[in-house]
Amino acid sequence: DAKTTQPPSMDCAEGRAANLPCNHSTISGNEYVYWYRQIHSQGPQYIIHGLKNNETNEMASLIITEDRKSSTLILPHATLRDTAVYYCIAEGHGQNFVFGPGTRLSVLP
Amino acid sequence: GAVVSQHPSRVICKSGTSVKIECRSLDFQATTMFWYRQFPKQSLMLMATSNEGSKATYEQGVEKDKFLINHASLTLSTLTVTSAHPEDSSFYICSASYNKGTAQLIYGYTFGSGTRLTVV
Repeated sequence: DAKTTQPPSMDCAEGRAANLPCNHSTISGNEYVYWYRQIHSQGPQYIIHGLKNNETNEMASLIITEDRKSSTLILPHATLRDTAVYYCIAEGHGQNFVFGPGTRLSVLP
Repeated sequence: GAVVSQHPSRVICKSGTSVKIECRSLDFQATTMFWYRQFPKQSLMLMATSNEGSKATYEQGVEKDKFLINHASLTLSTLTVTSAHPEDSSFYICSASYNKGTAQLIYGYTFGSGTRLTVV
């Protein structure tokens, strides 16, 4: 079973920030939080990952709570092309990824 | 960097025939590759883990004699669906883990673009 829980769906207006939450209350100390997204009929695309500190790259920001029991993926200016299923995964390096159902994000014009 | 190429992207085959799907790491050596299956409106389900030069490890409920995995080199893993049936129709996706740096820190997993298999 997946170690994370996410809302099944979210809407976001184009140009606004999309904040996708993820709960991982049983995460262990050596497990990272990974975010991937899957656009219809394509393979998952890596977005970002982190351990304890907040992370930012050209795609998104990852905010991890101090107790590491939850995190938020932030897409700062969502576009229509960001419509996808977003997966939050908590796993140690070298371990298999277990995908939950993810959050279906719809960016609306 | 860390690109995985999966081929073919789509394949239609007749029931009873076998289909081979290739997964190549283009710019890195992939000691471990993973094969997933995804049915419509469902999430990815791990089928098996393959390590270069050794036998694949299959998840519970996945028939190893039906889904043959070969990982003969550090850049190529293949999945062969033998004696395919309509219920094997699905989206098959491979991924590879990659290391970067002398500390052997795994940066993550990169996925292929997937293969849509339709068995008629």
